[in-house]
Amino acid sequence: GQQLNQSPQSMFIQEGEDVSMNCTSSSIFNTWLWYKQEPGEGPVLLIALYKAGELTSNGRLTAQFGITRKDSFLNISASIPSDVGIYFCAGHRLYNFNKFYFGSGTKLNVKP
Amino acid sequence: EAQVTQNPRYLITVTGKKLTVTCSQNMNHEYMSWYRQDPGLGLRQIYYSMNVEVTDKGDVPEGYKVSRKEKRNFPLILESPSPNQTSLYFCASSFADRVNYGYTFGSGTRLTVV
Repeated sequence: GQQLNQSPQSMFIQEGEDVSMNCTSSSIFNTWLWYKQEPGEGPVLLIALYKAGELTSNGRLTAQFGITRKDSFLNISASIPSDVGIYFCAGHRLYNFNKFYFGSGTKLNVKP
Repeated sequence: EAQVTQNPRYLITVTGKKLTVTCSQNMNHEYMSWYRQDPGLGLRQIYYSMNVEVTDKGDVPEGYKVSRKEKRNFPLILESPSPNQTSLYFCASSFADRVNYGYTFGSGTRLTVV
């Protein structure tokens, strides 16, 4: 099936640093979502993007829908220990309405 | 509280012993789906259901069955589990006309088949 390439696979950062991660695809999407998964829990929706070029923030998180519709970016500013978890991107197409395609995740570790 | 509830959270079983993982949502969602999560592969869709009595295969349906007799429940059935079905399973739901708004996920079921 469709693969989303998410990078980096993992990150080890110091508290207070900014973080960037991205997802790319060989084909276009109509919707990009970013989820966070904490240990022992299911993914929780952070940000949803619906238009090419759209930039949306949720607190210290900012995500962008790439102009080409084939990529998306998530930035976390001034990271804190509770940002630890796995971040997933997910893409959706209107003509394939019944599913999302998920990236393999970016595991974020924050050192206090 | 609006939620998707999966049971059990953890399960260890032996090859060939039929099992069912239950999923229930209290949000009146029409759409429900099962995903499995494996290291390096992200989340892959097993089956989905657009409404009661309407189910269809996802990307990795082999070895799984589902049923949707009631709107709130969407059990995942493994008739003859094999070790390659050891994985973390998630149930998800949404309104059928708002799938692109994203899912609500359950907390997951970690299945080990020995």
